[in-house]
Amino acid sequence: DTAVSQTPKYLVTQMGNDKSIKCEQNLGHDTMYWYKQDSKKFLKIMFSYNNKELIINETVPNRFSPKSPDKAHLNLHINSLELGDSAVYFCASSRSLVSSYNSPLHFGNGTRLTVT
Amino acid sequence: QQQVKQSPQSLIVQKGGISIINCAYENTAFDYFPWYQQFPGKGPALLIAIRPDVSEKKEGRFTISFNKSAKQFSLHIMDSQPGDSATYFCAASMMDSSYKLIFGSGTRLLVRP
Repeated sequence: DTAVSQTPKYLVTQMGNDKSIKCEQNLGHDTMYWYKQDSKKFLKIMFSYNNKELIINETVPNRFSPKSPDKAHLNLHINSLELGDSAVYFCASSRSLVSSYNSPLHFGNGTRLTVT
Repeated sequence: QQQVKQSPQSLIVQKGGISIINCAYENTAFDYFPWYQQFPGKGPALLIAIRPDVSEKKEGRFTISFNKSAKQFSLHIMDSQPGDSATYFCAASMMDSSYKLIFGSGTRLLVRP
């Protein structure tokens, strides 16, 4: 019954590896997001997709590539992992493109990525 | 101009006390101001939200006070409980092509029994 689910919950890997994080939402929402939360808890948007179309692409290294096979799924692939990529990555969804009173963000429980 | 500034960074309150977290913004085009609550190991969850045409919104023990002229809004938690201990984020967005919800830096609240 989880509305926004992401896997894995924990990911420990070595520098230089490639890894993926998967996200699925069962809310019927049109828009999905990836947020990064650093060690100081700061939340920063990375990407957003609306109906499988990339809308927001913040200043994120090219090593990060989102993929949306359908509007219920948004995956994040990271190439050549670096120590600085260690963070918690949150998937989120909303009913429509603009976060508003009628379209609040719903977050998953995060994936804690540790790069050693 | 897109920033939302949040204070304090951390807050300790005794059980039964009032917790107050403040946020300030610059962009007058913001038209949606939600607060999110995050428990350890969980994602942020919407707590309460307000539009700028309203000066106050109350839901149970949680109240948002909004001061449009000062470009500030705050979250008040009345009768704070240990179960309220969490990180709180204010945020803001606007109906324009940026399509972004801008978050404040977060406040870690600890309510002591």
